[in-house]
Amino acid sequence: RKEVEQDPGPFNVPEGATVAFNCTYSNSASQSFFWYRQDCRKEPKLLMSVYSSGNEDGRFTAQLNRASQYISLLIRDSKLSDSATYLCVVRGTGFQKLVFGTGTRLLVSP
Amino acid sequence: DAGVIQSPRHEVTEMGQEVTLRCKPISGHNSLFWYRQTMMRGLELLIYFNNNVPIDDSGMPEDRFSAKMPNASFSTLKIQPSEPRDSAVYFCASSPQGGTGELFFGEGSRLTVL
Repeated sequence: RKEVEQDPGPFNVPEGATVAFNCTYSNSASQSFFWYRQDCRKEPKLLMSVYSSGNEDGRFTAQLNRASQYISLLIRDSKLSDSATYLCVVRGTGFQKLVFGTGTRLLVSP
Repeated sequence: DAGVIQSPRHEVTEMGQEVTLRCKPISGHNSLFWYRQTMMRGLELLIYFNNNVPIDDSGMPEDRFSAKMPNASFSTLKIQPSEPRDSAVYFCASSPQGGTGELFFGEGSRLTVL
């Protein structure tokens, strides 16, 4: 079983739609969680950290369920510029070792 | 401030040739990571260094791969001999000591082995 699993998509949504991505992780000792965004042929960049109580940054909401080892990202009012691959990232055991999921591709159309 | 700098950005080589990828981390960052990205396997951690010392190289595929960090501002990833299955984008990333866990990635080196 992969350490971090995501639905690869693609998710095709119209502008203005709300879309949610899910991610599961296998290591119950994982301590930190993140969502990264990767545009086509570019490097990954941090979108937001995920906190136990859930957190929001504008149109983006991240939630963590430790009991189910599940992380989610909700994007409201999708924009064309949100089209990208969203990577679920977990800090595993060991010094600053981040494990990336394979990503979920989002396509927002006019 | 300059970000993580990688070179070359693109390399096309023939099977059996030696490939050397280079990385300059962000100044002041203590940790450096080498990742490989393919469509099938996503981003895989190959090796990471803390204060120039290799901490975990369990992701290095085999003896053909080696990485060094002779000083705080430079690292290399070498493949010798290269094989077609090594074709991928290789990313270098750095992070500061005690940071939030955010990694700062370079633009990547796209390697094609024919």
